[in-house]
Amino acid sequence: EAQVTQNPRYLITVTGKKLTVTCSQNMNHEYMSWYRQDPGLGLRQIYYSMNVEVTDKGDVPEGYKVSRKEKRNFPLILESPSPNQTSLYFCASSPRDESYEQYFGPGTRLTVT
Amino acid sequence: AQSVAQPEDQVNVAEGNPLTVKCTYSVSGNPYLFWYVQYPNRGLQFLLKYITGDNLVKGSYGFEAEFNKSQTSFHLKKPSALVSDSALYFCAVRDIRTGGFKTIFGAGTRLFVKA
Repeated sequence: EAQVTQNPRYLITVTGKKLTVTCSQNMNHEYMSWYRQDPGLGLRQIYYSMNVEVTDKGDVPEGYKVSRKEKRNFPLILESPSPNQTSLYFCASSPRDESYEQYFGPGTRLTVT
Repeated sequence: AQSVAQPEDQVNVAEGNPLTVKCTYSVSGNPYLFWYVQYPNRGLQFLLKYITGDNLVKGSYGFEAEFNKSQTSFHLKKPSALVSDSALYFCAVRDIRTGGFKTIFGAGTRLFVKA
């Protein structure tokens, strides 16, 4: 089954404790992206990747890091999480062509206390 | 700057009635426009898109959308609403200036369909 998976689905952590949210897709897509969803703000793009070893900032990259060492994986790293990073996070992928729709993972709900 | 606006936080409609969820956009050049739906505790699912061609595009679950260049709008429509259509709907545009890799979403519109 074609899908985007994220782990963990739920995470409660404390301020400053480094964490990684994994994202993996099995559709051989070149493009992958991370979003955060907050009430009233919709989805805002954090980082995106056009292919292996090629990443760029979205609209809200502060406090986040990403890497793309393999085509299928695109982990999101929070080196020192803060309470304002409490949010619902989505990973998405698509073929490289911008005319294609994105396929979304199920989401990761992160709470930072 | 490119932007997407969904002017209604919530739309209420009775089952069987037509529904419209509004979206307006501001982009440089030709827009690539998308509608996605989010059901509770789920990720976003693609509904339909406008890339080029016919201004009326048809998508999943009986939804359609009309692209209006002069009004810079891309409203989502369905002739007869179902209770199961109740969900959160997002309009999005891909930023062609960056090769389509940046995506801008509207704030979302919650649709309630009453039986």
